[in-house]
Amino acid sequence: NAGVIQTPRHKVTGKGQEATLWCEPISGHSAVFWYRQTIVQGLEFLTYFRNQAPIDDSGMPKERFSAQMPNQSHSTLKIQSTQPQDSAVYLCASSRDWGGEQYFGPGTRLTVL
Amino acid sequence: GQQVKQSSPSLTVQEGGISILNCDYENDMFDYFAWYKKYPDNSPTLLISVRSNVDKREDGRLTVFLNKSGKHFSLHITASQPEDTAVYLCAAGAWVATGGNNKLTFGQGTVLSVIP
Repeated sequence: NAGVIQTPRHKVTGKGQEATLWCEPISGHSAVFWYRQTIVQGLEFLTYFRNQAPIDDSGMPKERFSAQMPNQSHSTLKIQSTQPQDSAVYLCASSRDWGGEQYFGPGTRLTVL
Repeated sequence: GQQVKQSSPSLTVQEGGISILNCDYENDMFDYFAWYKKYPDNSPTLLISVRSNVDKREDGRLTVFLNKSGKHFSLHITASQPEDTAVYLCAAGAWVATGGNNKLTFGQGTVLSVIP
């Protein structure tokens, strides 16, 4: 079992550029979560899919951030016009089903210059 | 406001002693409680979790205690080892109350240092 896979592990973008982060959940897991970790805010929820359907995006910044899950094997988090304050570690987690325990991927460290 | 709080940013324990990590929460709807361990530059790893229908769960050297009336849960690590040194994050979710929304709310973390 490979665990949750996230690519790239590190990404550096210039201010105003677009960043796309990828997540492959554990095979058989039906729920996928995106979180963001910063030193100041800690680990914060962004958005959540269950069986590929968006369930809760209450943590997503209203502008520039979007997430999709086009199939059961991957999800993407896209940030348009990146800003320095978007710099963070973006974590993806998956769980088996409703109420299942969440397992995290290694994260993508995004640095916006 | 911060719904899940770890009031102690750091804790130092002697090797062999008991480490007690604490977490307070505000949301009455939380019904799932978990502890994660995190090394620098690594992602969180689930250690142990408990549902609200129990007040204690043991797994080896780890025990979670849940006090729902006090909105408090804790992680006890017995026979602490230097390799237990890490950041410990508590997390809570309101799965039943929200009809299945599994998102977790995390505390800010406690840095545990176990000294030989």
